[in-house]
Amino acid sequence: AQSVSQHNHHVILSEAASLELGCNYSYGGTVNLFWYVQYPGQHLQLLLKYFSGDPLVKGIKGFEAEFIKSKFSFNLRKPSVQWSDTAEYFCAVIIYNQGGKLIFGQGTELSVKP
Amino acid sequence: DAGVTQSPTHLIKTRGQQVTLRCSPISGHKSVSWYQQVLGQGPQFIFQYYEKEERGRGNFPDRFSARQFPNYSSELNVNALLLGDSALYLCASSPEAYGYTFGSGTRLTVV
Repeated sequence: AQSVSQHNHHVILSEAASLELGCNYSYGGTVNLFWYVQYPGQHLQLLLKYFSGDPLVKGIKGFEAEFIKSKFSFNLRKPSVQWSDTAEYFCAVIIYNQGGKLIFGQGTELSVKP
Repeated sequence: DAGVTQSPTHLIKTRGQQVTLRCSPISGHKSVSWYQQVLGQGPQFIFQYYEKEERGRGNFPDRFSARQFPNYSSELNVNALLLGDSALYLCASSPEAYGYTFGSGTRLTVV
């Protein structure tokens, strides 16, 4: 079965540190890729998405992600985190031609210390 | 511009009861999807509807059902509630077949 793996369950960083959250998926065909963020007490919000084209995708709030097809990865990065980035981050995949369901990873909780 | 709205926001039910959750998509969005998010896990796909037809169903028992109305709003029904059905139920809407924008969810507690 197709799945999405997020490498870290909980990441703790100090403000201004760089962030990289890992995401791997298990499917060899065409996929659409997403990163969502869930701030405490709030709903899921789309950070960025990749459908095709440039594998380096820029999203909101200074986040970016790189799609590496050979590694089945879509890692999320931010050069300098802020306390307000404290949230849970979810990687998700849509398998092309298998309907529109999002397959989510288990999430990575990010805590940024001021 | 109103986002995806879900009602109610919180709900407490007793085991064995039935519950109906409601979702109004963003205006112009024809697709609605439902997800279940258990604490500490990523959302799990339950159903997708597009143009009032079921487009996909996740690995959930038949106690779970849904429908989409002509105005593209949707209801999720769960019968014979179990303690394990306690979760945050999320609705997502999209202009086409891919669910992008999520509502704030309905927190269901089964006691």
